[in-house]
Amino acid sequence: QVQLVESGGGLVKPGGSQRLSCAASGFNFSDYYMSWIRQAPGKGLEWLAYISGNGHTIYYADSVKGRFTISRDNAKASLFLQMHSLRVEDTALYYCARQYGGYPLNDAFDIWGQGTMVTVSS
Amino acid sequence: DVVLTQSPLSLPVTLGQPASISCRSSQSLVYIDGKTYLTWFHQRPGQSPRRLIYEVSTRDSGVPDRFSGSGSGTDFTLKISRVEAEDLGLYYCMQGSHWPPNFGQGTRLEIK
Repeated sequence: QVQLVESGGGLVKPGGSQRLSCAASGFNFSDYYMSWIRQAPGKGLEWLAYISGNGHTIYYADSVKGRFTISRDNAKASLFLQMHSLRVEDTALYYCARQYGGYPLNDAFDIWGQGTMVTVSS
Repeated sequence: DVVLTQSPLSLPVTLGQPASISCRSSQSLVYIDGKTYLTWFHQRPGQSPRRLIYEVSTRDSGVPDRFSGSGSGTDFTLKISRVEAEDLGLYYCMQGSHWPPNFGQGTRLEIK
């Protein structure tokens, strides 16, 4: 079945780095744009970044621009989020989600992973 | 940036009764193509969000018909005709018409 499985979360010190992965299955991964979305503990949802199916179009939220990098490997049906210069306020559950097309988001986030928790603390 | 304001933030309901959640946008969500990209999600406790409705009123496959979306311009509503226990949790609206995409703050549907 269609599935997204995130991994790579953990405890990291402020200023540190972490790389998240999202393994896709059950659909033709390269046909879809993909996004990263996060949810801080007890808070709402925040879109972070998306990447086109061929990897050529990438956009970031201002809150992570210059610190986070989204990428993908279509041969391995995998999505990545490389995070640098992590801050305490980056502590959140990080989800990958599928979308059909880019902006405007007309058919977005129909499939979500279960999330991977990143805790930034000294 | 567009601001989405949901109300109420907490909605106590009696099972079997209707429920209604409002999502108001600080700008019209009508895109230049004439369509409106307003989406609703449901998040049960401890689970990932699930998309319910997109483009204001189109239900996703498998979503019960007791859920309906309506609205236009800046005012949108998610209605549940008869609340069931599985409907409890958080509801979020999201706009994709303006950059950047963003979510409302969420409405918690709970048992009265």
